[in-house]
Amino acid sequence: EVQLVESGGGLVQPGRSLRLSCEASGFIFNDYAMYWVRQAPGKGLEWVSGINWNSGSIGYADSVKGRFTISRDNAKNSLYLQMNSLRPEDTALYYCAKAREMIAVVSYFDYWGQGALVTVSS
Amino acid sequence: EIVLTQSPATLSLSPGERATLSCRASQSVSSYLGWYQQKPGQAPRLLIYDASTRATGIPARFSGSGSGTDFTLTISSLEPEDFAVYYCQQRNNWPLTFGGGTKVEIK
Repeated sequence: EVQLVESGGGLVQPGRSLRLSCEASGFIFNDYAMYWVRQAPGKGLEWVSGINWNSGSIGYADSVKGRFTISRDNAKNSLYLQMNSLRPEDTALYYCAKAREMIAVVSYFDYWGQGALVTVSS
Repeated sequence: EIVLTQSPATLSLSPGERATLSCRASQSVSSYLGWYQQKPGQAPRLLIYDASTRATGIPARFSGSGSGTDFTLTISSLEPEDFAVYYCQQRNNWPLTFGGGTKVEIK
């Protein structure tokens, strides 16, 4: 059974940093691209970032480019999101999601975690 | 960036009725369009990918169609568990983008 478990969310002041983690199990982690998708309270879905299987291809939404860094550790079956210079508008539930297709850089998301809540407020 | 526009924002229907949801792309995404369902307090669930292929375990009452810039998700006969918010998403290129969502509510 595929499982994605996010951690690292919390309350942080504007301008500070936070690191999210996602631990994956139930599939061959290094065969798939992985993504972060966020959802602000009461709002729709926003793709944040994605990373291919070997970290050779990485993409970011314009809203986080230059502030957020995605990475993965295939030996630990883990995905990360380093979030710097956080803003109130980054407040959201952050989901970790798995690519549907093996090896594909851009994909759909066939499995999702339950999300990590990040609140940016003074 | 490819912008996806969903319509209508809200669809009020009764169980047993047919639901037709639209997603329009600002430029062609070929057939690289997916649909998700999200219920309150839950993560989204992939329903349809590549415009018309049902994901694993998705009932046959869900169907997708379209290509290029115009896509449709059809629920042939609404079940009580189908009342939810539906999002489209394109995987044609970076950045991946979602539509704003259509809420299907009970009339």
